[in-house]
Amino acid sequence: GIQVEQSPPDLILQEGANSTLRCNFSDSVNNLQWFHQNPWGQLINLFYIPSGTKQNGRLSATTVATERYSLLYISSSQTTDSGVYFCAVDPNYGGSQGNLIFGKGTKLSVKP
Amino acid sequence: DAGVIQSPRHEVTEMGQEVTLRCKPISGHNSLFWYRQTMMRGLELLIYFNNNVPIDDSGMPEDRFSAKMPNASFSTLKIQPSEPRDSAVYFCASSLFSSGELFFGEGSRLTVL
Repeated sequence: GIQVEQSPPDLILQEGANSTLRCNFSDSVNNLQWFHQNPWGQLINLFYIPSGTKQNGRLSATTVATERYSLLYISSSQTTDSGVYFCAVDPNYGGSQGNLIFGKGTKLSVKP
Repeated sequence: DAGVIQSPRHEVTEMGQEVTLRCKPISGHNSLFWYRQTMMRGLELLIYFNNNVPIDDSGMPEDRFSAKMPNASFSTLKIQPSEPRDSAVYFCASSLFSSGELFFGEGSRLTVL
């Protein structure tokens, strides 16, 4: 099956710093989504981004589907950005739409 | 608009007991998903429904697990009998269509003693 690899696994930032999280996937996909799981366990959808670039405030994401990777940029990080960031892909093989495959996540800690 | 609503938020039960988790998807969403999250295995899809019909239940661990969606606004995940290895956070999620933007509920944390 498709492999989803996220890097780095752990990241510690000082408040105000910028960071880039990466998601590599091993096969073509129907779509790709980024999620943030906050320290209380809530999973929040950040981006639905099968290709191209999207921005939402201090966060932006770029997916290059032909090269099988996606990047999540966090600028001017805040302590509230702490948590785990997951990349999830919907593999592009017949009959399996909807089965999002999640990466293992990047655990981000932003220090004040 | 209300998000995905799950209940109970926390459940502590003893091995062998029946557990029922409930989910109300976002109104108008046609796809509903049940996920399980553990430290060891991360987020795993258990089953998903399109228009109340189960499409893929290959992630359901064994016969002790069952899921139903009797109508567009309600789904249950049942474990009978429960075992300690079932302890996890169970998330329900919904989307407009099967490959659409996914919205999660707050999860049900299950502890089986």
